[in-house]
Amino acid sequence: QVTLRESGPALVKPTQTLTLTCTFSGFSLSTSGMCVSWIRQPPGKALEWLALIDWDADTYYTRSLKTRLIISGDTSKNQVVLTMTNMDPMDTATYYCARTDSNTWFFSTWGQGTLVTVSS
Amino acid sequence: QSALTQPASVSGSPGQSITISCTGTSSDVGGNDSVSWYQQHPGKAPKLIIYDVSNRPSGVSYRFSGSKSGYTASLTISGLQAEDEADYYCSSYTSNTGVVFGGGTKLTVV
Repeated sequence: QVTLRESGPALVKPTQTLTLTCTFSGFSLSTSGMCVSWIRQPPGKALEWLALIDWDADTYYTRSLKTRLIISGDTSKNQVVLTMTNMDPMDTATYYCARTDSNTWFFSTWGQGTLVTVSS
Repeated sequence: QSALTQPASVSGSPGQSITISCTGTSSDVGGNDSVSWYQQHPGKAPKLIIYDVSNRPSGVSYRFSGSKSGYTASLTISGLQAEDEADYYCSSYTSNTGVVFGGGTKLTVV
């Protein structure tokens, strides 16, 4: 059974750096074809894909946020970490991690999400 | 503004069928067969219901089906049930920026 769980701070201040951790089970990121993505959803708004890391440690980012994001994986811990710099109130959202298909990038299994509020 | 265009809302009565459209461009919906659909109930994480335009994951009801023509993908839900009331999102791989989502459609079962 594949499960994912996000963890991180619920509140960050503007200009701070956000670090979120996705801890997963039921698959190994080192297995060929495995990928994990981060997706966010501001309150009452649509989903937005942020970043993806694959089994080869190749990384991909949404163009609009590329300069602020870093995604990394720790295969020994079954974790994927997302770092977002220079946080702004507009970044307030629920952040999800999801197992991602390597061919057509659909999100097969999602974590429960973690709400991050950016406020001073 | 989202990259893929969906109607903001649709409604239907129990037992009826509804269709939700998702319109993109040649860079996404029209350029590959990577359209997927997600169902999201209030306060819950999204759930994959259709992938690669028309494939259903194991455990998803046969009442959900997907198709595509040109730049527009569609999700059809037949035999509407009260539990289908939720938000629905389409997404597509894009050669430009990874993955793009639609703005979401709120389905009301009246």
